Amino acid sequence: EVQVVESGGDLVQPGESLRLSCEASGFTFNSFWMTWVRQIPGKGLEWVANINQDGSVQNYVDSVKGRFTISRDNVKNSVYLQMTSLRVEDTAVYFCARDSTYRENSRYYDRFDFWGQGTLVTVSS
Amino acid sequence: AIQMTQSPSSLSASVGDRVTITCRASQDIRNELAWYQQKPGTAPKHLIFAASILQSGVPLRFSGSGSGTDFTLTISSLQPEDFATYYCLQDYNYPRTFGQGTKVEIK
Repeated sequence: EVQVVESGGDLVQPGESLRLSCEASGFTFNSFWMTWVRQIPGKGLEWVANINQDGSVQNYVDSVKGRFTISRDNVKNSVYLQMTSLRVEDTAVYFCARDSTYRENSRYYDRFDFWGQGTLVTVSS
Repeated sequence: AIQMTQSPSSLSASVGDRVTITCRASQDIRNELAWYQQKPGTAPKHLIFAASILQSGVPLRFSGSGSGTDFTLTISSLQPEDFATYYCLQDYNYPRTFGQGTKVEIK
């Protein structure tokens, strides 16, 4: 059974750092891109970052570039989101998702097919 | 970043109704669009990719269409379990961007 479980959410003050973890099981972890998506409670979804299978490629939304770092450990079947210089506007539930990229001809399509339950990050003084 | 605009923001419908949600991209994204369903307190669920291909296990009453800048998600006969919020997501380029969501409520 495929499972994705996030952890590490907490209440922190502005300017502080936090590391989120996402542990996966039930599939060949090093064959998949992994993605972080966040959601301010009661609001919409925001794509945050993703990382390729061997960790050599990362992409970020502009609002977190230079502050957040996505990484992975394929031995521990885990993906991480290191968040620094946290801001009040980073307060959200952070979801981790597997990306079963679908390839057709020369195009690649994201498919976030398995998600964790989310972990809440609250940034407040 | 590409902006994704969904309409309507919310709608009220009855069981059995045909429901259509639209998503417009701020630039041509070919067919690189996905749809997700989210129920309160749960993670999103993937419904459709490549604008019109149904993810495995998704009921056939769901369908997607469109290319370029204009896309639609249609539920042919709304069921009780379909009351949720629906999001489009472009995967044409980075950063990926979601629409603001469309909440489907019970009339």
